[in-house]
Amino acid sequence: QAVVTQEPSLTVSPGGTVTLTCGSSTGVVTSGHYPYWFQQKPGQAPRTLIYDTNNKHSWTPARFSGSLLGGKAALTLSGAQPEDEAEYYCLLSYSDAHSGVFGGGTKLTVL
Amino acid sequence: EVQLVESGGGLIQPGGSLSLSCASSGFTFSSYEMNWVRQAPGKGLEWVSYISIGGSTKYYADSVKGRFSISRDNAKNSLYLQMNSLRAEDTAVYYCVRGRFDPWGQGTLVTVSS
Repeated sequence: QAVVTQEPSLTVSPGGTVTLTCGSSTGVVTSGHYPYWFQQKPGQAPRTLIYDTNNKHSWTPARFSGSLLGGKAALTLSGAQPEDEAEYYCLLSYSDAHSGVFGGGTKLTVL
Repeated sequence: EVQLVESGGGLIQPGGSLSLSCASSGFTFSSYEMNWVRQAPGKGLEWVSYISIGGSTKYYADSVKGRFSISRDNAKNSLYLQMNSLRAEDTAVYYCVRGRFDPWGQGTLVTVSS
């Protein structure tokens, strides 16, 4: 089974910009992996931020954006807010759009 | 309001069986694919299983294949997960997730321990 890798932890200053990445052990991540990004705060269920690489839900703050960058999926946060401190998970699909492998998560600290 | 409410979790001995349910409301359940995702205590997320709209297509993670079975009852707006031959490593919060991974229920905790 493929392994999906994320940075274990990142720190960003309030108002700053940070990019989280999501890589695959099988090689280059493409739109065909239908990359998702989820945000999870302590004691809460995850919430979807980005789907299919760069699509946002109506509740996704404009400061979050998804892309493909350097062979990986990427989540960029521009203008970090204290409430963005959370665990972020990516999900990649390998055989079709109906199953997937999660990354290990990135703990984002806003400090 | 779209809602997914999981139930059926609890403490079960290794080798035992447990059935989880997910009751949906606020949307046309029969129009959506569904998933189960789990999270071990203090760990990351793991996709567990998928079922198509009509229930004829099902996928499972390798870690649960042959032991877990996903099903749905569109007349009851409900999703199910039958878990057999449970192991300590199956201990987790199990989330019911609609379609393309949104929204998520609040989860139900399954603890496999003697």
